[in-house]
Amino acid sequence: EIVMTQSPATLSVSPGERATLSCRASQNIRSNLAWHQKRPGQAPRLLIYGASTRATGIPARFSGSGSGTEFTLTISSLQSEDFAVYYCQQYNNWPPWTFGQGTKVEMK
Amino acid sequence: EVQLVESGGGVVRPGGSLRLSCAASGFTFGDYGMSWVRQAPGKGLEWVSGINWNGGSTNYADSVKGRFTISRDNAKNSLYLQMNSLRDEDTALYHCARDGPERGNDYWGQGTLVTVSS
Repeated sequence: EIVMTQSPATLSVSPGERATLSCRASQNIRSNLAWHQKRPGQAPRLLIYGASTRATGIPARFSGSGSGTEFTLTISSLQSEDFAVYYCQQYNNWPPWTFGQGTKVEMK
Repeated sequence: EVQLVESGGGVVRPGGSLRLSCAASGFTFGDYGMSWVRQAPGKGLEWVSGINWNGGSTNYADSVKGRFTISRDNAKNSLYLQMNSLRDEDTALYHCARDGPERGNDYWGQGTLVTVSS
């Protein structure tokens, strides 16, 4: 099973600032990586797939990069609705499609 | 608009059973694989089970293998999870999710809460 490790566990950021989240895979997953946003009481939402392609309707302030084992999600200018928990998910090897443990982005 | 609506959660005693359902709309259900993913209180997302487009292939996390059964009814646009021999550690919010083409889980439901407690 591929293990996904996210860092940091919590990121404190002020509105308007940039947030950078990291995700590492225990083995090469090429570009088969997605990022999901989870707000309390809401369904998870797909933000990025293919490591860098924004899903339908996702604002341009969200961007993804990386391949192989190292990946990054960047939120260029945090809006109030962006304070949430973010999960990376590998879909290179199934089953299972594994998730990272999450990074909580909180208001500073 | 793609919609996934889960139901069937509740409070159950250890050793008991529950059947979760997920009603899908807004897409051709029979064209997609589907998954169940859970989130225990204070924890992250954990894949539980997956099924391919016609139900011919199913897979389970080791933590639920032999206790849970995933199934689907394409005529009813519905996904199911039969959960037997429930344990305290199965307490979680259970989401159904669509398996997107080359993109992981691309649509999610809001979830149904399962609480296992004596």
